[in-house]
Amino acid sequence: SAVISQKPSRDICQRGTSLTIQCQVDSQVTMMFWYRQQPGQSLTLIATANQGSEATYESGFVIDKFPISRPNLTFSTLTVSNMSPEDSSIYLCSVGGRMGEQYFGPGTRLTVT
Amino acid sequence: GENVEQHPSTLSVQEGDSAVIKCTYSDSASNYFPWYKQELGKGPQLIIDIRSNVGEKKDQRIAVTLNKTAKHFSLHITETQPEDSAVYFCAASNPLGGGATNKLIFGTGTLLAVQP
Repeated sequence: SAVISQKPSRDICQRGTSLTIQCQVDSQVTMMFWYRQQPGQSLTLIATANQGSEATYESGFVIDKFPISRPNLTFSTLTVSNMSPEDSSIYLCSVGGRMGEQYFGPGTRLTVT
Repeated sequence: GENVEQHPSTLSVQEGDSAVIKCTYSDSASNYFPWYKQELGKGPQLIIDIRSNVGEKKDQRIAVTLNKTAKHFSLHITETQPEDSAVYFCAASNPLGGGATNKLIFGTGTLLAVQP
């Protein structure tokens, strides 16, 4: 499986500011995904990051709040914009394997004060 | 859309005992069912998966069974060890209409505690 890294690993941010999270993979992958995991909860898909085109967002998530970039096959960013305390979560990127499986990065732990 | 239910939410077992976690799904078109282990402060780790063309899969102390008729699948851990303590998530795939990677819908998680 691919080696996935995320930056930052954690951050504490003021409300109203924005944070950009980076996801780097050690090999080229077609599909990358961004998930949110609220404290003590399960994983919810935010969007699928498509290389060369706009991300595909799930119901309840919008591009203005969570803009995503996918400039190449090994890198993606997720920005959490105009943050509020409700955005405090773990943000995870994942990559798709050849047989449809997904592998996750270590996550970014965000606290908004 | 797909909905995945997972039970129990917490499970405490003695070291050496077996643990079973069960999930049910709603979309009969789902065809891929992975299980993830998430340790504190880490991302989810894929530990085993099963596809709709088989009923059971085993990897050392871990096994997964699938009943497509009843739309449920289970994770079995035998000879549990303290290092098995973690949150376990099941998931089901909801095909994106083609392509190799399916959208995953996750269960609510099970906190497994193995008491030494």
